[in-house]
Amino acid sequence: DAGITQSPRHKVTETGTPVTLRCHQTENHRYMYWYRQDPGHGLRLIHYSYGVKDTDKGEVSDGYSVSRSKTEDFLLTLESATSSQTSVYFCAIRPVGGSYEQYFGPGTRLTVT
Amino acid sequence: TQLLEQSPQFLSIQEGENLTVYCNSSSVFSSLQWYRQEPGEGPVLLVTVVTGGEVKKLKRLTFQFGDARKDSSLHITAAQPGDTGLYLCAGQRGNEKLTFGTGTRLTIIP
Repeated sequence: DAGITQSPRHKVTETGTPVTLRCHQTENHRYMYWYRQDPGHGLRLIHYSYGVKDTDKGEVSDGYSVSRSKTEDFLLTLESATSSQTSVYFCAIRPVGGSYEQYFGPGTRLTVT
Repeated sequence: TQLLEQSPQFLSIQEGENLTVYCNSSSVFSSLQWYRQEPGEGPVLLVTVVTGGEVKKLKRLTFQFGDARKDSSLHITAAQPGDTGLYLCAGQRGNEKLTFGTGTRLTIIP
């Protein structure tokens, strides 16, 4: 158990509204990641973080922003939700050292109507 | 462009049978990981392989990394219903990010 929680676990929102998803970890891991998972596409990286206030874009970052003001929290914001952002969102952490293994949270299912 | 191709996409077999699923790429990876994901949950790490030709065993699961570090296979012996799930491979190429395959959805029929 890597001590990762995500909130909310489920959310339904309307097109055009802002949405923020939260990832919280309890073990002070430096590296954190946000992915989305869609049928036929697998897991695709949205944004990731090397540490507090240190973030970078992944392969599908358009329409998303992130913030990391504390080690334990990594927030993903959909600035103006669209139906194409309906997906399951996973947060992951990577312990320093090792072979780049990642440990995932339980996911947030987001539906944009 | 999908760097990691997994095959088959879907596999349904009877309990007790053996199976192999594959993860292939034209790119070389520094390490490769296998995850299993069950419905409603996040992926769970099964194994990491880092050396070309490496074989790792986890009970009835055998993982192999290709000699050229471009491909990997997962072999399950005497499959059980508890093996049902989505199997994902992920490769790392020397930076902070992993590239995931699209997965093999395995169903073991009791």
